[in-house]
Amino acid sequence: DAGVIQSPRHEVTEMGQEVTLRCKPISGHNSLFWYRQTMMRGLELLIYFNNNVPIDDSGMPEDRFSAKMPNASFSTLKIQPSEPRDSAVYFCASSLAGTYTIYFGEGSWLTVV
Amino acid sequence: QKEVEQNSGPLSVPEGAIASLNCTYSDRVSQSFFWYRQYSGKSPELIMSIYSNGDKEDGRFTAQLNKASQYVSLLIRDSQPSDSATYLCAVLISGYNKLIFGAGTRLAVHP
Repeated sequence: DAGVIQSPRHEVTEMGQEVTLRCKPISGHNSLFWYRQTMMRGLELLIYFNNNVPIDDSGMPEDRFSAKMPNASFSTLKIQPSEPRDSAVYFCASSLAGTYTIYFGEGSWLTVV
Repeated sequence: QKEVEQNSGPLSVPEGAIASLNCTYSDRVSQSFFWYRQYSGKSPELIMSIYSNGDKEDGRFTAQLNKASQYVSLLIRDSQPSDSATYLCAVLISGYNKLIFGAGTRLAVHP
């Protein structure tokens, strides 16, 4: 079975540019999570969706960040405008609601210069 | 106080020894706890979950939970160099259905 699929795997962009990260959850999973990982702050939950509906976005750092889930098989995390401090690995993860076992994608490595 | 705390390490153990990884959490009513392993440059992968006080064994891994002390641990018996990784403790925050991770403990198993 295909796992959680993320794209792009690596992105280098200039400060001020828009960044869009994409995620396809595991088929049949109805919870989706976006995490950010840095050396300083570890793995932080940014936002999660249940059945395509955002449930908790309290971890989204500021208004420059937005996330959508237009359907059960696709989600995006957008940063506009990007800043160097946004450089991190962004993980998407999914689970069956209520199981609490989440499966991570391979991550999108973002560098903002 | 952070919701989930771990010693960042590195924890260095010789091959064949028992590695003991510890985690404390602040949410007194949390019921679900997880250990993830993350190799350098890779994504976290689930290795153990525990929901009840006591021990839970799976192969060389044993998870221990003490809800009264708000403490979770992971023991790795007969440690192998391939166990060298960062181990992340995660706690499901009750009422919010969100999994919060500790900063992770880096384990190094040397031959």
